[in-house]
Amino acid sequence: DVKVTQSSRYLVKRTGEKVFLECVQDMDHENMFWYRQDPGLGLRLIYFSYDVKMKEKGDIPEGYSVSREKKERFSLILESASTNQTSMYLCASSPTDGSGYEQYFGPGTRLTVT
Amino acid sequence: GESVGLHLPTLSVQEGDNSIINCAYSNSASDYFIWYKQESGKGPQFIIDIRSNMDKRQGQRVTVLLNKTVKHLSLQIAATQPGDSAVYFCAESYTGGFKTIFGAGTRLFVKA
Repeated sequence: DVKVTQSSRYLVKRTGEKVFLECVQDMDHENMFWYRQDPGLGLRLIYFSYDVKMKEKGDIPEGYSVSREKKERFSLILESASTNQTSMYLCASSPTDGSGYEQYFGPGTRLTVT
Repeated sequence: GESVGLHLPTLSVQEGDNSIINCAYSNSASDYFIWYKQESGKGPQFIIDIRSNMDKRQGQRVTVLLNKTVKHLSLQIAATQPGDSAVYFCAESYTGGFKTIFGAGTRLFVKA
């Protein structure tokens, strides 16, 4: 089974802090994604990566950056956390072997910025 | 995807009944559609998918119907069980899966 793990389930940070959210997948997937999930808004794509050191902006990249130095690891960085970044953050991965486009999600990190 | 709002649409069904969850998608270029299930405290999990060249696909107790004419997708769950209680998301995808748009979700309650 595909396993996507996220470094923390719950995180509380102060406004202005630099925050790192880590994601690791064990299925050698090429693609990795970071979403935020807010009530009633579904999942919104922040950034994705289709290869090591490659990244593409999603729909809401402002205030975030990402890093992918190894295939299995995709990090989301909040350079200076703000209260409007309080949310659930979901990492996902998917293969590019043409079998389908379904994404495999981690359990999520609930981030609170005070 | 589904209309965006602050409150999730909800569906309440009796255990053993069939459930139908609907979704309107937005992009005519989408060629792949997926239903995900998200249980409390977990990330979304894949349930079933359908490509745009099909109009129906069946899985175990689930059926997805696709109507491209009106850009409508539905998920039917047969003999709904308490374990089916969750939030269900439809998703549409194109450009080889790099762009996936998720709906806002529908919360399914199953009454025992």
